[in-house]
Amino acid sequence: GAVVSQHPSRVICKSGTSVKIECRSLDFQATTMFWYRQFPKQSLMLMATSNEGSKATYEQGVEKDKFLINHASLTLSTLTVTSAHPEDSSFYICSATPTDRGTEAFFGQGTRLTVV
Amino acid sequence: SQKIEQNSEALNIQEGKTATLTCNYTNYSPAYLQWYRQDPGRGPVFLLLIRENEKEKRKERLKVTFDTTLKQSLFHITASQPADSATYLCALGRGGGNKLTFGTGTQLKVEL
Repeated sequence: GAVVSQHPSRVICKSGTSVKIECRSLDFQATTMFWYRQFPKQSLMLMATSNEGSKATYEQGVEKDKFLINHASLTLSTLTVTSAHPEDSSFYICSATPTDRGTEAFFGQGTRLTVV
Repeated sequence: SQKIEQNSEALNIQEGKTATLTCNYTNYSPAYLQWYRQDPGRGPVFLLLIRENEKEKRKERLKVTFDTTLKQSLFHITASQPADSATYLCALGRGGGNKLTFGTGTQLKVEL
């Protein structure tokens, strides 16, 4: 089956610093990847669509200058949370779908970000 | 605005019984609906997909129904086991690109 790997799984950072989260498709190429965030006992909220070789598409209300997305290759997308604040503490998850798997989304294991 | 509702309260059932989870949506015309399982601190795992022109789908002990008139999907786990304990999410999609909108999830606990 397709595997999406996310790193790191947990990160604690100081307020005002930046954190980079990586999302890799290990055995398939992904021209599109999706980034979600999830607060405790809440749904996954789509933040942005990461497009290989072009700019990401952000959902309404998501600050593109705060959540920088780079999709430089067909197997890697990164999300950088810039100038992090405690309210950015959340569970961030990425997903991708191989072209031969229709609409089935494969998710990374998620990254628990804690800003102190 | 679009709204996807799942049972907000946790569902506790006895081992061996059938668990039934509900997903209702409004202001949305999905082309397909998916169900995912999520364990604590993990990303969701795909279980089943059902398209707008399908009424029912089965996979082993899982069954999904989709009623586009009622705007509702039911997810059944038969002969439930403690290992089925998790949060189950429904997700709606439309068109290409696989952009999904998720419900809030229902936590299922199967007790011995």
